[in-house]
Amino acid sequence: DQQVKQNSPSLSVQEGRISILNCDYTNSMFDYFLWYKKYPAEGPTFLISISSIKDKNEDGRFTVFLNKSAKHLSLHIVPSQPGDSAVYFCAAWGRGGATNKLIFGTGTLLAVQP
Amino acid sequence: DTEVTQTPKHLVMGMTNKKSLKCEQHMGHRAMYWYKQKAKKPPELMFVYSYEKLSINESVPSRFSPECPNSSLLNLHLHALQPEDSALYLCASSHPGGVVNTEAFFGQGTRLTVV
Repeated sequence: DQQVKQNSPSLSVQEGRISILNCDYTNSMFDYFLWYKKYPAEGPTFLISISSIKDKNEDGRFTVFLNKSAKHLSLHIVPSQPGDSAVYFCAAWGRGGATNKLIFGTGTLLAVQP
Repeated sequence: DTEVTQTPKHLVMGMTNKKSLKCEQHMGHRAMYWYKQKAKKPPELMFVYSYEKLSINESVPSRFSPECPNSSLLNLHLHALQPEDSALYLCASSHPGGVVNTEAFFGQGTRLTVV
């Protein structure tokens, strides 16, 4: 049961344009969401997060939007740079009593073309 | 400092070997995690330690044995692994459950190959 889904396995964007990565979730109990960037054979690097009490969070070139009613979030990268090429995972905290479980989406491979 | 340090970076082991993966953080986090990642798949949770106690075991085979000696260290002891256990093993830390709005920080991973 994949509770966090990224339906686009890959995305190709021209340098300087906007990259939009999408993520859907099924569990209405999720209340905090994160985006990670990952290069092959390395650990995920935290990018940006958003609480369910907000609908937008911005940090430099990265903006995350949350639509709670649609159980959908998106990551916007503007302007896209070749160094942004990586796999992007969205993730959500599943509350298990006093313990959290960080549940990852399936990932989207972003390729930014020079 | 948001660093989680994992050693070794690469490990090749035979199916009869015993080895250990190590993870260390100094962010004061009291929750630590082991994840396993296969190629082209998302990280998959294996174990969660909260306040140095094992709180989640995601039905991981007993050939993987976690240990949390103190609040900064997390080990994963490996014994009698199978070739299909070859993967990237990731350690992470965060504030524990009940603390909202927390990020988890990951180490660089150990690339394990079982031969």
